[in-house]
Amino acid sequence: DAKTTQPNSMESNEEEPVHLPCNHSTISGTDYIHWYRQLPSQGPEYVIHGLTSNVNNRMASLAIAEDRKSSTLILHRATLRDAAVYYCILRAGRAGNMLTFGGGTRLMVKP
Amino acid sequence: NAGVTQTPKFRILKIGQSMTLQCTQDMNHNYMYWYRQDPGMGLKLIYYSVGAGITDKGEVPNGYNVSRSTTEDFPLRLELAAPSQTSVYFCASNPDSDISPQHFGDGTRLSIL
Repeated sequence: DAKTTQPNSMESNEEEPVHLPCNHSTISGTDYIHWYRQLPSQGPEYVIHGLTSNVNNRMASLAIAEDRKSSTLILHRATLRDAAVYYCILRAGRAGNMLTFGGGTRLMVKP
Repeated sequence: NAGVTQTPKFRILKIGQSMTLQCTQDMNHNYMYWYRQDPGMGLKLIYYSVGAGITDKGEVPNGYNVSRSTTEDFPLRLELAAPSQTSVYFCASNPDSDISPQHFGDGTRLSIL
């Protein structure tokens, strides 16, 4: 399975945008890029996913590089509730495929 | 909808005891998963199921067993609890789509002493 590389931690100020990077240089053509986040003492929560084009939803935006070897999760206005561990995961488009969680990026939001 | 429900939320076991972690979902999802998460680490897949009567091993299946007799339920069994199984256990499910988001329960925090 293709792996991802994320910074261990990042800090942001409340109400400012946050850009969380992810490198996935060995991504295959059928791998989707998924982002999940895990708030303290909770199970992971789906954030967004994409294949080639940039994606937007009510939680975040996903910017995917043209060569697909990197992507960036964008939180447009960070709130204290966005403090969590964010996981970037490559997921093959096949039946029963699992999520392979790495270490993720711990986002700290300062008031 | 309740989503994915896990019971119990907390449990302390003695070495060698057995127990079953319960997981049920009310979304009619065919795919279900069990993960464990050790402190400060990401999740690791223990077992998964693509439908009733079908289960398969994940990355760390040793010491665990599963069954899937119904679409709704996917219990995880620990037969001889060991300290290395102290962890937080998460159950998840997703619909038939191969890349559909997984929905997670709130976890079971298990300590083996």
